[in-house]
Amino acid sequence: KNQVEQSPQSLIILEGKNCTLQCNYTVSPFSNLRWYKQDTGRGPVSLTIMTFSENTKSNGRYTATLDADTKQSSLHITASQLSDSASYICVVSAEVGNTGKLIFGQGTTLQVKP
Amino acid sequence: EAGVVQSPRYKIIEKKQPVAFWCNPISGHNTLYWYRQNLGQGPELLIRYENEEAVDDSQLPKDRFSAERLKGVDSTLKIQPAELGDSAVYLCASSSEGNDEQFFGPGTRLTVL
Repeated sequence: KNQVEQSPQSLIILEGKNCTLQCNYTVSPFSNLRWYKQDTGRGPVSLTIMTFSENTKSNGRYTATLDADTKQSSLHITASQLSDSASYICVVSAEVGNTGKLIFGQGTTLQVKP
Repeated sequence: EAGVVQSPRYKIIEKKQPVAFWCNPISGHNTLYWYRQNLGQGPELLIRYENEEAVDDSQLPKDRFSAERLKGVDSTLKIQPAELGDSAVYLCASSSEGNDEQFFGPGTRLTVL
């Protein structure tokens, strides 16, 4: 069964600190992996996308890693800001090429405190 | 360029009442998705359209849920009658042909009392 598991479920950090969110998946055939940020009351917004051959991708203070062998991904946030408070969702595409069926993780809720 | 538009943003109804949600995808996007997101969970696909054709509705509870995309542009998702367990955020997303990156709307938060 295609699944995406994220940890931790929730996280509280102080402003300026770094944090790392984890994502494990059992999805086949694997196409790509995305990290989405979802602010409260908003739809998810894509942060990074990685294909099988990529093992790291950065977007500003966000750096995603992918280990296709162990089927693990992480999202590292550097020098956190209050605006980073949101839910971060790991999403794996289960189809190759054409519009894919996305398998969503349950998300990690991050709260950045001043 | 406008993103995915959804309305209403919030809806509160009593159980057994009908409700409808509307979505206008990004211009030129031929694939449209409806998701349901429960609190603290990731979105779950309800139905996917390619133009006006529903190509994946396997997760749509067809006894009470229906959707349409008559002209292959905007879409409506309906629940009749609503149940308490239908309380959730209903997200619409769209993507262009040959590209599985989905762009999400802000969602409609439904509360069934």
